[in-house]
Amino acid sequence: AQKITQTQPGMFVQEKEAVTLDCTYDTSDPSYGLFWYKQPSSGEMIFLIYQGSYDQQNATEGRYSLNFQKARKSANLVISASQLGDSAMYFCAMRDPGGSGNTGKLIFGQGTTLQVKP
Amino acid sequence: ETGVTQSPTHLIKTRGQQVTLRCSSQSGHNTVSWYQQALGQGPQFIFQYYREEENGRGNFPPRFSGLQFPNYSSELNVNALELDDSALYLCASSENLAKNIQYFGAGTRLSVL
Repeated sequence: AQKITQTQPGMFVQEKEAVTLDCTYDTSDPSYGLFWYKQPSSGEMIFLIYQGSYDQQNATEGRYSLNFQKARKSANLVISASQLGDSAMYFCAMRDPGGSGNTGKLIFGQGTTLQVKP
Repeated sequence: ETGVTQSPTHLIKTRGQQVTLRCSSQSGHNTVSWYQQALGQGPQFIFQYYREEENGRGNFPPRFSGLQFPNYSSELNVNALELDDSALYLCASSENLAKNIQYFGAGTRLSVL
């Protein structure tokens, strides 16, 4: 069964420094997608970055980059130059390639709470 | 381009009641997925609607039901509410099944007393 594991319940980072949030996944399907979302205390789940399993390059979106190591089944999120507004819960998710109806439903990890210190 | 909007933002119900949550998908999106997020957990997939038809369902009982309308907005209905139904309910829309970057609304926080 597909599974996402985030082993860091909470992380602290100093403002302007970089931080890496860990994510490992488990799937037997060769085609899958990996996502990172940010959830502030307001509750909205904000899409940050996407990596497809066949993508040759690591995905980047502004200050966000995804360190994709396929053999290790890891998809860590790197946030560079942290800002106070980055304080939030971060979720790693995988698109479930199987299941009925090709929903592409997302399977989420437990999340990591990031706090940026001034 | 408007984003995903959900209503109401907060709701308090008592056990045994019924509730309807609403979601307007992002402009141009024909697929809507619903998720339940318990406190301190990651979201869990409830079901998805594609072009007004249910297109997959997670491990939720039949008292969780939904609809999608011709304008692709959607409703989540929960009957016979239980205390464990207290959660944040998130709606997400995507452009189609193939382009499955799901964009979420701010959610409806449901409390069942």
